[in-house]
Amino acid sequence: LAKTTQPISMDSYEGQEVNITCSHNNIATNDYITWYQQFPSQGPRFIIQGYKTKVTNEVASLFIPADRKSSTLSLPRVSLSDTAVYYCLVGDPAKGQNFVFGPGTRLSVLP
Amino acid sequence: GAVVSQHPSRVICKSGTSVKIECRSLDFQATTMFWYRQFPKKSLMLMATSNEGSKATYEQGVEKDKFLINHASLTLSTLTVTSAHPEDSSFYICSAAGTGGYTEAFFGQGTRLTVV
Repeated sequence: LAKTTQPISMDSYEGQEVNITCSHNNIATNDYITWYQQFPSQGPRFIIQGYKTKVTNEVASLFIPADRKSSTLSLPRVSLSDTAVYYCLVGDPAKGQNFVFGPGTRLSVLP
Repeated sequence: GAVVSQHPSRVICKSGTSVKIECRSLDFQATTMFWYRQFPKKSLMLMATSNEGSKATYEQGVEKDKFLINHASLTLSTLTVTSAHPEDSSFYICSAAGTGGYTEAFFGQGTRLTVV
């Protein structure tokens, strides 16, 4: 049973900021929140990971409220090449825990 | 990030034969490896979790005698699909996690298996 809930799909236009929210009400104390991007016929690509508050890297930001029951991936100024499926996962894979995918969010960026 | 290499990227085999897929972590020691399969336009489905030196833990509904997983070293895990049938045709993806200061898991490129 997936531990996360995300919107099934989203549409955006080039140059806009996109925010994808993920719910994980049963997140455990030791769980990290990790986001991946997947293109067709490729393995998922790591985007960003956080535990609490805000994390930013060169491609995205991750906002995590104090209760950690949700998180929001923010993609600034998306381009057509950002069209992909985005997955939010919770867990601690380095500790050997099963790392389960939810259905993901299919983002379509339009010109 | 770390690199996980999966081989082959694409394989076609005859029904009844076995196929081995390799997953290597190239620049870190993977104490845990995950194997997934993915059908078109669907999410990844976890098949099994393997910790180095231990037997793999299979998810409910996954036949361990059909999908043999070996994780004999900290850099290599293999998935063998035994006596493959057309319904085993799918996209198989491995993931590695472990030491080297990484808390995230990294994924291989995937293997497209077609059984004819």
